[in-house]
Amino acid sequence: AQSVTQPDIHITVSEGASLELRCNYSYGATPYLFWYVQSPGQGLQLLLKYFSGDTLVQGIKGFEAEFKRSQSSFNLRKPSVHWSDAAEYFCAVGARDTDKLIFGTGTRLQVFP
Amino acid sequence: KAGVTQTPRYLIKTRGQQVTLSCSPISGHRSVSWYQQTPGQGLQFLFEYFSETQRNKGNFPGRFSGRQFSNSRSEMNVSTLELGDSALYLCASSLGAGSYQPQHFGDGTRLSIL
Repeated sequence: AQSVTQPDIHITVSEGASLELRCNYSYGATPYLFWYVQSPGQGLQLLLKYFSGDTLVQGIKGFEAEFKRSQSSFNLRKPSVHWSDAAEYFCAVGARDTDKLIFGTGTRLQVFP
Repeated sequence: KAGVTQTPRYLIKTRGQQVTLSCSPISGHRSVSWYQQTPGQGLQFLFEYFSETQRNKGNFPGRFSGRQFSNSRSEMNVSTLELGDSALYLCASSLGAGSYQPQHFGDGTRLSIL
């Protein structure tokens, strides 16, 4: 069975600073990988996804993520954070064999002006 | 295009009661998944429906059940409510079935058990 770990529960950055949110997974093959964002009182919104091919994927709102097979990681990055990026971010892993999608526990991002 | 609609947005129930939550997917989407979100457990998968059939099920007791109608709308039912069932219940729809399908989420139903 697959699993996903987001080691950072809470991250605080200043507006304009760069951001990297970590995601590590455990799965026997290359899974389907996703990042979602959840603003308070709302559902989740898809930021980006990786299935195969180019390991650097671009998403919405200026986010990108890099798949590193050797490290079983799929970290989310943004070069310059805006106050509106404050939200909770979830990494998700989809298994190709069981067809199940598992979410990490989330990282709450706080942005200071 | 309208997004995923969940009703009601808020519900207050007491222990032992039952509750039904509703989810209308994006037009054309045939798969609906349900998740329970709590501060302690995070997002936990409940079940997935596709073409009125349950395709996948999470590790929840039989008190949690669901169904999907021919128009892809879905309902989730929880019987004999317990305090621990207090949570945000999220519905997500996708074009087809499979863990590679991007999920489109509704804003959830917040269920509080007194």
